[in-house]
Amino acid sequence: NAGVTQTPKFQVLKTGQSMTLQCAQDMNHNSMYWYRQDPGMGLRLIYYSASEGTTDKGEVPNGYNVSRLNKREFSLRLESAAPSQTSVYFCASSAGGQGLYEQYFGPGTRLTVT
Amino acid sequence: SQKIEQNSEALNIQEGKTATLTCNYTNYSPAYLQWYRQDPGRGPVFLLLIRENEKEKRKERLKVTFDTTLKQSLFHITASQPADSATYLCALEANDYKLSFGAGTTVTVRA
Repeated sequence: NAGVTQTPKFQVLKTGQSMTLQCAQDMNHNSMYWYRQDPGMGLRLIYYSASEGTTDKGEVPNGYNVSRLNKREFSLRLESAAPSQTSVYFCASSAGGQGLYEQYFGPGTRLTVT
Repeated sequence: SQKIEQNSEALNIQEGKTATLTCNYTNYSPAYLQWYRQDPGRGPVFLLLIRENEKEKRKERLKVTFDTTLKQSLFHITASQPADSATYLCALEANDYKLSFGAGTTVTVRA
């Protein structure tokens, strides 16, 4: 039982390059999330998927796209990376989408855009 | 606008003492409030959830209070140990039912 896994762990991109961050969970959770975490700031929600086949924008969606490929997998794509997207990205999952449900986080992807 | 504020200063305490962290919020009416622990280079890990109709919740050496009138939650670590050193995040249910996170308070416990 691996929980939430993310790949890659580290990535360096040049401005304008694209990449996809992968996330998978093996807990049969309905809801999945992508957050970014910057120094001195809380986790900020980028996109959210309440269930397979649905996605919604979070607080900071600009410059990102997501795909809920199936119940297990939720990917985040940067189409044209910018230095402002340098951050640590966390994927999380929960049984449901309300504040009643605890979230399980992956180990994070450390992305640097030069 | 909605805001979550945690202790802005890091907390340094002696082993065995109680650490008290605050989480204040404005323009939220959360039914639930959660606390997470985050170690350097790792993802957050869930610790406790408290509901709006619960005044206090305990788990081993951890205690959380939730005062919806003051719009505040307090997180206590009693009999602290060096292994408790970490950043602690509060998270509460936003108006759209998703979680919003505070920036966290870093706790260092000295042996």
